[in-house]
Amino acid sequence: DTGVSQDPRHKITKRGQNVTFRCDPISEHNRLYWYRQTLGQGPEFLTYFQNEAQLEKSRLLSNRFSAERPKGSFSTLEIQRTEQGDSAMYLCASSLTSGETQYFGPGTRLLVL
Amino acid sequence: LAKTTQPISMDSYEGQEVNITCSHNNIATNDYITWYQQFPSQGPRFIIQGYKTKVTNEVASLFIPADRKSSTLSLPRVSLSDTAVYYCLVGDILTGGGNKLTFGTGTQLKVEL
Repeated sequence: DTGVSQDPRHKITKRGQNVTFRCDPISEHNRLYWYRQTLGQGPEFLTYFQNEAQLEKSRLLSNRFSAERPKGSFSTLEIQRTEQGDSAMYLCASSLTSGETQYFGPGTRLLVL
Repeated sequence: LAKTTQPISMDSYEGQEVNITCSHNNIATNDYITWYQQFPSQGPRFIIQGYKTKVTNEVASLFIPADRKSSTLSLPRVSLSDTAVYYCLVGDILTGGGNKLTFGTGTQLKVEL
């Protein structure tokens, strides 16, 4: 068990560019979650997957955001036409099933200039 | 989802016991209480979870009074490495909503020599 991994750990981009983040959950974990955290705040839920199905999306997830988990293993989070307000830490978590403890990755810190 | 209230910050010294209290006056019957710890530039880490009375593990204890309107995380003999943000979360982990976690702003614990 190598834990949840995220790539890249840091990303600097210019406003208007597209960025994509990857999350590899703990193997055999069916549930995968994305959260966003800004400075001084706790993480905020964005979306979650049960295997390959995206079951819920937060209102925070504007139409510029899209997440996929095509084979029920790793997931990607893409942000199109980035804005400065997208600057944040993007966290991924996974759990074995519903109700089980969520294990978080180290996060991807995004800075939009 | 039940809202939680925690102190913004706490200071302690190495070797002392630290108690962080969280208020959750409108906790629902099915809600559990969960605590996470977060170090800078890392994802949150699960500490402990409970429903009522007392729960203890190798890291901490969680005290929940009979009315469940508050809970106290107890960290025995803290060290410098316990300096982190501690989040109290309340939610129904067993049903509905994918059990997405709702974080508040947390308590910044600072441990000094």
